[in-house]
Amino acid sequence: QVQLQESGPGLVKPSQTLSLTCTVSGGSISGGGYYWTWIRQHPGKGLEWIGYIYDSGSRHYSPSLKSRVTISVDTSKNQFSLRLSSVTAADTAVYYCARAPVCANDCYPLDFWGQGTLVTVSS
Amino acid sequence: DIVLTQSPGTLSLSPGERATLSCRASQSVGSSYLAWYQQKRGQAPRLLIYGASTRATGIPDRFSGSGSGTDFTLTISRLEPEDFAVYYCHQYSSSPFTFGPGTKVDIK
Repeated sequence: QVQLQESGPGLVKPSQTLSLTCTVSGGSISGGGYYWTWIRQHPGKGLEWIGYIYDSGSRHYSPSLKSRVTISVDTSKNQFSLRLSSVTAADTAVYYCARAPVCANDCYPLDFWGQGTLVTVSS
Repeated sequence: DIVLTQSPGTLSLSPGERATLSCRASQSVGSSYLAWYQQKRGQAPRLLIYGASTRATGIPDRFSGSGSGTDFTLTISRLEPEDFAVYYCHQYSSSPFTFGPGTKVDIK
């Protein structure tokens, strides 16, 4: 079955750009049919949807983060990535990658998730 | 944005007891695109219920979901030791997709 694994720096300085990669195994990211999604969870808090990419190029972001977020895909590596610019301490969180089936006749929620990676924003 | 409110914040119960968790939306969740997730400490959320009432693959039938519109419920008929965790509701009907703040089910 499909597995997702986040990777990237665990520490980012304020005002810099957070960059994370999600490697997908057990399925092709280029086959279409899924929203490849990023979610975050602030320490001890609830979950926040960041955005997704699908069809290798269509993107949709949370309005609250849209000005700072870029999600991209590298089909040759079966990976998708998150970039979040101008970070502050408020961006400290566990970042998860996940997938959800693309809506056709019906819509479905996020079904497979990575284990998450903690990113701390601190000087 | 659709704001999801969950109650209670914490539910203290004993194994074998019934758990009833509530999720209320600030506006109607279209097509009942409401899911429930279970999260244990240090783990990613696990999908339990989607479409308000359909169990995900491999989820035991002691978990059931109900509701429509703005009011939804997750019921665990008889709590097993592995069920003590935090539960989140999630609407995937209207962007930005949102999550509730969670209900912690702990051992009494």
